[in-house]
Amino acid sequence: GNSVTQMEGPVTLSEEAFLTINCTYTATGYPSLFWYVQYPGEGLQLLLKATKADDKGSNKGFEATYRKETTSFHLEKGSVQVSDSAVYFCALSSNTGFQKLVFGTGTRLLVSP
Amino acid sequence: GAVVSQHPSRVICKSGTSVKIECRSLDFQATTMFWYRQFPKQSLMLMATSNEGSKATYEQGVEKDKFLINHASLTLSTLTVTSAHPEDSSFYICSASRPMDSNTEAFFGQGTRLTVV
Repeated sequence: GNSVTQMEGPVTLSEEAFLTINCTYTATGYPSLFWYVQYPGEGLQLLLKATKADDKGSNKGFEATYRKETTSFHLEKGSVQVSDSAVYFCALSSNTGFQKLVFGTGTRLLVSP
Repeated sequence: GAVVSQHPSRVICKSGTSVKIECRSLDFQATTMFWYRQFPKQSLMLMATSNEGSKATYEQGVEKDKFLINHASLTLSTLTVTSAHPEDSSFYICSASRPMDSNTEAFFGQGTRLTVV
């Protein structure tokens, strides 16, 4: 079946550091890939997505590239801010739609001033 | 953007009692809602798909008689954990999608942390 593996946290960084959160997946067919973010006390919000191989999703300075050859969708940001502190979830959906999702375990990011 | 509200955000209940969790779409009609749960250090796992006006579809291994789902209107789905036990303690979260558009994102509630003592 489909599955998503992402690095365990917490990831602790200083402000302006470079961020990478690794995510790999196992899936049949051609899944779409997502990063969701959950800020304290809020619901999950879509951060970015990519629907086919070599697509790059980007939003708020975050980027992730759909790599079919390595089955990966790593999240990166060049310079993190304290306000980026949150839990980040990597997810995939089957090729039938974007709502039924398979998630990774989530990675907590803590950014200190 | 679309807003999904989930209530309560935290609940503690005694073993053997039932707990109801509500998921509301505040500014759109949701024909389909999804219920997930997350055990510590594990992934968010889909429990069931809730369809307005019809029976929910449960994922393999999820007891439909224990986790009762009702989707009586286009803006409200409820999950009732019946005869809760400590092993049901988990983080439950819902998501909703707009009707007739499978290629848009799902919108999530804030989640409910259930602790059964």
